[in-house]
Amino acid sequence: EAGVAQSPRYKIIEKRQSVAFWCNPISGHATLYWYQQILGQGPKLLIQFQNNGVVDDSQLPKDRFSAERLKGVDSTLKIQPAKLEDSAVYLCASSFNTGGETQYFGPGTRLLVL
Amino acid sequence: TQLLEQSPQFLSIQEGENLTVYCNSSSVFSSLQWYRQEPGEGPVLLVTVVTGGEVKKLKRLTFQFGDARKDSSLHITAAQPGDTGLYLCAGLMNRDDKIIFGKGTRLHILP
Repeated sequence: EAGVAQSPRYKIIEKRQSVAFWCNPISGHATLYWYQQILGQGPKLLIQFQNNGVVDDSQLPKDRFSAERLKGVDSTLKIQPAKLEDSAVYLCASSFNTGGETQYFGPGTRLLVL
Repeated sequence: TQLLEQSPQFLSIQEGENLTVYCNSSSVFSSLQWYRQEPGEGPVLLVTVVTGGEVKKLKRLTFQFGDARKDSSLHITAAQPGDTGLYLCAGLMNRDDKIIFGKGTRLHILP
């Protein structure tokens, strides 16, 4: 069974530029998560989708971050404009459903903002 | 406010030694999970504990959930270099199904 796919794996941009990350979850998984993991910390949930609807985006900085999952399958996360403090690993995870189901993580996209 | 406190933050020990890492909170969780994350990879789920006082074993790893469901520990017997990684605990808040991660314990086993 294929795991969660993410691209790109690495991205270097200058502050105030825009960047987008892509995630393809495990087939059949209804729930998709985007996490931000800053160096030395645990993952912080940015947004959670159930199919193509948003379940929780309370920690998403909506002035610069946006995410969509239009067809309820793959998802994109965008940052516009990027700040230095956005440097982090962006992890995508999926689960069959919500409510504590096992989350399967992708390898992450490592973003460096200069 | 950090809901889940993990300790120690860093641990470096010799192969063959035993170790315990802790995950503590003042909040009650409906379940608690332990993950291991290796460099350049996403976290991988090791175990989920649900019942207060529950103990689960995974080969040389023993996981315990506190009686009050506020804390957990991970004990590794006879550590091996392959155990090296970042160990994350994550608690599931019953009221809104939100999963909260701790900052992790970075473990390094010296051969």
